[in-house]
Amino acid sequence: GEDVEQSLFLSVREGDSSVINCTYTDSSSTYLYWYKQEPGAGLQLLTYIFSNMDMKQDQRLTVLLNKKDKHLSLRIADTQTGDSAIYFCAESIVPDKLIFGTGTRLQVFP
Amino acid sequence: SAVISQKPSRDICQRGTSLTIQCQVDSQVTMMFWYRQQPGQSLTLIATANQGSEATYESGFVIDKFPISRPNLTFSTLTVSNLSPEDSSIYLCSARDWTYEQYFGPGTRLTVT
Repeated sequence: GEDVEQSLFLSVREGDSSVINCTYTDSSSTYLYWYKQEPGAGLQLLTYIFSNMDMKQDQRLTVLLNKKDKHLSLRIADTQTGDSAIYFCAESIVPDKLIFGTGTRLQVFP
Repeated sequence: SAVISQKPSRDICQRGTSLTIQCQVDSQVTMMFWYRQQPGQSLTLIATANQGSEATYESGFVIDKFPISRPNLTFSTLTVSNLSPEDSSIYLCSARDWTYEQYFGPGTRLTVT
């Protein structure tokens, strides 16, 4: 079945690392995505990873994929107040159809 | 990356009326989509907007309620018909070019009274 789960909230101190986790159920996922949604805004594509990769790094962002456990994580290094937002993971099973997770609200405090 | 704009950004509509949302992409894209985000929830795909032909709807969404047009490679409209309070949501347009990157518009916040 198609089900993507995330924890609802994460609170971190400014300057620390944030790790947002996501689990999915369909092993045939081809691409997995991370989006950021700020209040009142649309979705911003942060990064994505192909299913045959284990890790992808892009500046402060590191994506880890464990296909065996169907687990995806997004690590944000040196978290800033501007990183406060809702983060959605999404999987793509058939081309173009994205199944979104429930979203994790990240709060960064000074 | 594609830049996507939507109009209107928000609207308040009365029950029984319809709202048409426009989506414009700044470059030619292969695929365009419409999603719904109900209050406090995640995104659900409504349909794929096909150029010059009928849209492909996901389970639970029908053409009579959500007619979609896509006359060319950069423009699409979504109409939400016969509005009820349950239709109050954010409606987002998205597009994919030849890569696997899918971009989203800023969304249209609809409130039905």
